[in-house]
Amino acid sequence: NAGVTQTPKFRILKIGQSMTLQCTQDMNHNYMYWYRQDPGMGLKLIYYSVGAGITDKGEVPNGYNVSRSTTEDFPLRLELAAPSQTSVYFCASRGDRQETQYFGPGTRLLVL
Amino acid sequence: DAKTTQPPSMDCAEGRAANLPCNHSTISGNEYVYWYRQIHSQGPQYIIHGLKNNETNEMASLIITEDRKSSTLILPHATLRDTAVYYCIVGIIQGAQKLVFGQGTRLTINP
Repeated sequence: NAGVTQTPKFRILKIGQSMTLQCTQDMNHNYMYWYRQDPGMGLKLIYYSVGAGITDKGEVPNGYNVSRSTTEDFPLRLELAAPSQTSVYFCASRGDRQETQYFGPGTRLLVL
Repeated sequence: DAKTTQPPSMDCAEGRAANLPCNHSTISGNEYVYWYRQIHSQGPQYIIHGLKNNETNEMASLIITEDRKSSTLILPHATLRDTAVYYCIVGIIQGAQKLVFGQGTRLTINP
């Protein structure tokens, strides 16, 4: 079991560029989440999914898009990168009857 | 906004018990108390959760007051590897389970 994997580990973007952060889990979890963490702060929920084909907004969705075509994958899309999106992005997953979320190692994004 | 209040930092000597407090005075009847920790810049790691009874697992113990307005996470024999930011979170356990993280407590274990 690899758990939750995220790629890339680190990326530098120019303002206005777009990119997709990848998240994959091999635990057959229906629930998946994207969080962002700014320096010295706690994590904030961007988007979440309760199963393939179903997604919903979290606390800070502006500037991001998601899709969930398979149970395993939950990519996060940035269309027009802005300096305010400089952050560390964490993906997490959870099984239906599980109380805990399992987090990936994170993607560090720098927008210049 | 986070529904919990934690001290921003704490220190503890290696081998001693680390007691991390958390206030959650507006907790609802169906909300659980969760604790996660984040070592360096890794992804958060689940520690323990509880509703109203005290809980213990291989990592820690959770003591919840009778009125459920506060709780304490206890690491019984802290090691240097327990140095991390500890997050106390309240929320509903089922459904979407949208966790709201505050700034947590930065616990430093000193040799």
